[in-house]
Amino acid sequence: RKEVEQDPGPFNVPEGATVAFNCTYSNSASQSFFWYRQDCRKEPKLLMSVYSSGNEDGRFTAQLNRASQYISLLIRDSKLSDSATYLCVVDDYFGNEKLTFGTGTRLTIIP
Amino acid sequence: EAGVAQSPRYKIIEKRQSVAFWCNPISGHATLYWYQQILGQGPKLLIQFQNNGVVDDSQLPKDRFSAERLKGVDSTLKIQPAKLEDSAVYLCASRAGGDGANVLTFGAGSRLTVL
Repeated sequence: RKEVEQDPGPFNVPEGATVAFNCTYSNSASQSFFWYRQDCRKEPKLLMSVYSSGNEDGRFTAQLNRASQYISLLIRDSKLSDSATYLCVVDDYFGNEKLTFGTGTRLTIIP
Repeated sequence: EAGVAQSPRYKIIEKRQSVAFWCNPISGHATLYWYQQILGQGPKLLIQFQNNGVVDDSQLPKDRFSAERLKGVDSTLKIQPAKLEDSAVYLCASRAGGDGANVLTFGAGSRLTVL
């Protein structure tokens, strides 16, 4: 089993739609979780951290389910500018701060 | 705050040649990472430094890849000899460390093409 697995893409959704991505992780001791966004031919950039209680940032909502070892990202009212690859990142922190990336899910918002 | 600097941005070499990439992290960041990102895949950790010590190099192909961070600041990643499958973007990232919530900041990457 891969350390971090993401939904297979690509996701092609119409503008204004709601889209959700899931990501599962294998290390139950993992402590920190993040979603990064990567635009075409650019470096990954932090989109948001994922907290145990769930957190929201505008149209973006992240959830963590420790029992089932998955995190999710929900994008509401999607915009054309949301088109990117979304990378799930897991950090074991209490070990050596090793950050493991998923393969990414490619999202294309269609006008 | 200056970001993570990487050079060169692009490099084209033939197989069996050597190449070196340089990274200067954000000032004061103790932890430095080198990732390899092959087209269509997520970044894969090659090596992680804490100051000038190696924390994790378990996925570094040590027969051809080497990396150093001698003074705990900038770092170089070398490939010798290069193979076709080394074609990828090499991303350097840094992090202040000591806090799991700290943001990982990437450089723009060095794109390597091996012919």
